Amino acid sequence: DQQVKQNSPSLSVQEGRISILNCDYTNSMFDYFLWYKKYPAEGPTFLISISSIKDKNEDGRFTVFLNKSAKHLSLHIVPSQPGDSAVYFCAAIRGTSYGKLTFGQGTILTVHP
Amino acid sequence: EAGVTQFPSHSVIEKGQTVTLRCDPISGHDNLYWYRRVMGKEIKFLLHFVKESKQDESGMPNNRFLAERTGGTYSTLKVQPAELEDSGVYFCASSQDPVETAFNTEAFFGQGTRLTVV
Repeated sequence: DQQVKQNSPSLSVQEGRISILNCDYTNSMFDYFLWYKKYPAEGPTFLISISSIKDKNEDGRFTVFLNKSAKHLSLHIVPSQPGDSAVYFCAAIRGTSYGKLTFGQGTILTVHP
Repeated sequence: EAGVTQFPSHSVIEKGQTVTLRCDPISGHDNLYWYRRVMGKEIKFLLHFVKESKQDESGMPNNRFLAERTGGTYSTLKVQPAELEDSGVYFCASSQDPVETAFNTEAFFGQGTRLTVV
């Protein structure tokens, strides 16, 4: 039973355009959501997060939106750069489950020059 | 400051053999986590140490997997005997505080150990 799902295995975007990565979850007990970026042969690195009490969090070119009623979150990257090409993982935490991140399958983002 | 380090980077072993993976967390990080990604699927939680104690081992697949963190520093994950389905990338992560909602405290991941069981 996969509680966090990223239904798009891959996304291809032109440099300078917006990249939108989507994530759905089923467990309403999740109260903190994170996005991680992963380059080949490296571990995931933290990108941005959002608490369930918010609906938007922005950090430079990265914005995460949370729609609790739809159990959906998205990561917007504007403008997209070739260096953003990586695998992006959505992850979620229940407040009481310290350190137990529940990840999605990942979306491969390719930004073309 | 050194990041989370994992050894080896790759390991190829035969079914039935034993393999031990090692993780050195960031110095001072009490919390250490093991995760596994199988065949390009989601990254799955295996277990969580707080210092030398197992806080949560609910993700360990079966008793062929044994994790230890003697002295609360580095950790090892032993697979004995290894099966074909154990193949995947094993990630270790550490954090100073638990990754929880009240604090924006991230878990830092190592580069992973790619285990191939043939």
